[in-house]
Amino acid sequence: QKEVEQDPGPLSVPEGAIVSLNCTYSNSAFQYFMWYRQYSRKGPELLMYTYSSGNKEDGRFTAQVDKSSKYISLFIRDSQPSDSATYLCAMSEGYGGATNKLIFGTGTLLAVQP
Amino acid sequence: GAGVSQSPRYKVAKRGQDVALRCDPISGHVSLFWYQQALGQGPEFLTYFQNEAQLDKSGLPSDRFFAERPEGSVSTLKIQRTQQEDSAVYLCASSLGGTSWYNEQFFGPGTRLTVL
Repeated sequence: QKEVEQDPGPLSVPEGAIVSLNCTYSNSAFQYFMWYRQYSRKGPELLMYTYSSGNKEDGRFTAQVDKSSKYISLFIRDSQPSDSATYLCAMSEGYGGATNKLIFGTGTLLAVQP
Repeated sequence: GAGVSQSPRYKVAKRGQDVALRCDPISGHVSLFWYQQALGQGPEFLTYFQNEAQLDKSGLPSDRFFAERPEGSVSTLKIQRTQQEDSAVYLCASSLGGTSWYNEQFFGPGTRLTVL
């Protein structure tokens, strides 16, 4: 079983819909939780990061972390065709150690239909 | 631009050939990471450098994979005797490093390796 599980989709929604993306994980040592967006043939780019449990909002995006359930979510409000991409959740144990490697989910392919 | 650059962007190799993939991190970034992304999968960690020191190579899949960063800036990932299962996108990322509690990793566009 992978440390981070993510539904690969694909997920297709109409423009303006609310999108919910989720990941579960098994390693209780994860403290930093990130969402990356990856367009086709491009590298991942950071959307949001959260430390420990809680919510964080940035424009149309909201990230939620529930460490007790080992479950994280990304919500996209008023989705746009330009949001069509693969969304990757990523986690790490921390930044004080020798390595800050990221553990990624499989990625969810999102298509927003105009 | 000032982002992470990688070359070549595409590489086709015959099985058994050696390949070298280059990463130019953002200037001043101490930390450098290599990840492997297979088709339809998320990136998987290969190795990590802090300046020129390779502090973690736990993700390298075999001794055919070798990475270096001799002067603490440009890094090269070398794959010897390539196999078909090595076909993937190889992503490089860099971050400021140091003791900050959070350091964003900035990714390059990747090198797509196809082994025939």
